[in-house]
Amino acid sequence: QLQLQESGPGLVKPSETLSLTCTVSGDSINSVGYFRGWIRQPPGKGLEWIGNIYYTGTTYYNPSLKSRLTISIDTSKNQFSLRLSSVTAADTAVYYCVVPKPGQFDPWGQGILVTVSS
Amino acid sequence: QSALTQPASVSGSPGQSITISCTGTSSDVGAYKYVSWYRQDPGKAPKLLIYDVSIRPSGVSNRFSGSKSGNTASLTISGLQAEDEADYYCNSFTSSTTYVFGTGTKVTVL
Repeated sequence: QLQLQESGPGLVKPSETLSLTCTVSGDSINSVGYFRGWIRQPPGKGLEWIGNIYYTGTTYYNPSLKSRLTISIDTSKNQFSLRLSSVTAADTAVYYCVVPKPGQFDPWGQGILVTVSS
Repeated sequence: QSALTQPASVSGSPGQSITISCTGTSSDVGAYKYVSWYRQDPGKAPKLLIYDVSIRPSGVSNRFSGSKSGNTASLTISGLQAEDEADYYCNSFTSSTTYVFGTGTKVTVL
C-alpha cells in the first residue's frame, strides 16, 4: 500500500525559499502512468492545489504560484520535492503531498505545517 | 483560477439526507467527468469520498453519492449520522490542465 511522508523545515523566513520533500514507500516513484503532487491548506482555510508532476518530469502548476514554484522528482531516492521561492506570511499552511490520478487525489501524506515568519 | 463555490455550512438531523453543492463553470465542473469529493476531519488529511462525479472508492459507505448537472456537482449524504460531521471539499479538473478545489462545507449533525 502506498504511503507518503512529508519532511522539511517547519519555519521559513519571509523572502526565503520553502523546500519540502515527500518520501514514497510501497511503490516506485517513477512508476509508469503515475503523477505526484502537492496541495496546501492555510490555517483555518480551504484546500489549494499547488501542482502535479508526471513520472516523466512534466509539471503542471497552479497559475497563481507558477512564477515561484518548482516541483521535481528524485527517482534514485523515491522522493519528489516542492520549492516555493520568495515566501510571505500568505504561504503559511499545512502542505500535503499526494498521489493524483486523473480526477482524484489519493492517498495523501499526513501533512506538514510550514510557518513563514521572521 | 477561482475556487469552486460551496455553501459554508449544511446541517441536518440524524437519519435525514443532506446535499452539498459545488458550483463551477463550463471550463471546469461543466466540462469534465473529473469531479471528486473529500472529507476532512479536524487535524487530519482529507480522504477521497467520490471520484469521476459519482464513483465511490472501495470502503466508502454507499450513504455517500455524487452527481452533476451542468456546472454544478453535488454530494448527497443519506441517513445522516453523527460521525458524518466534518468538512467536505469538492475538486475539479480544469481546461487549463490544472485542478481547483471548492471553498469547503462544514457539515453539522443536529
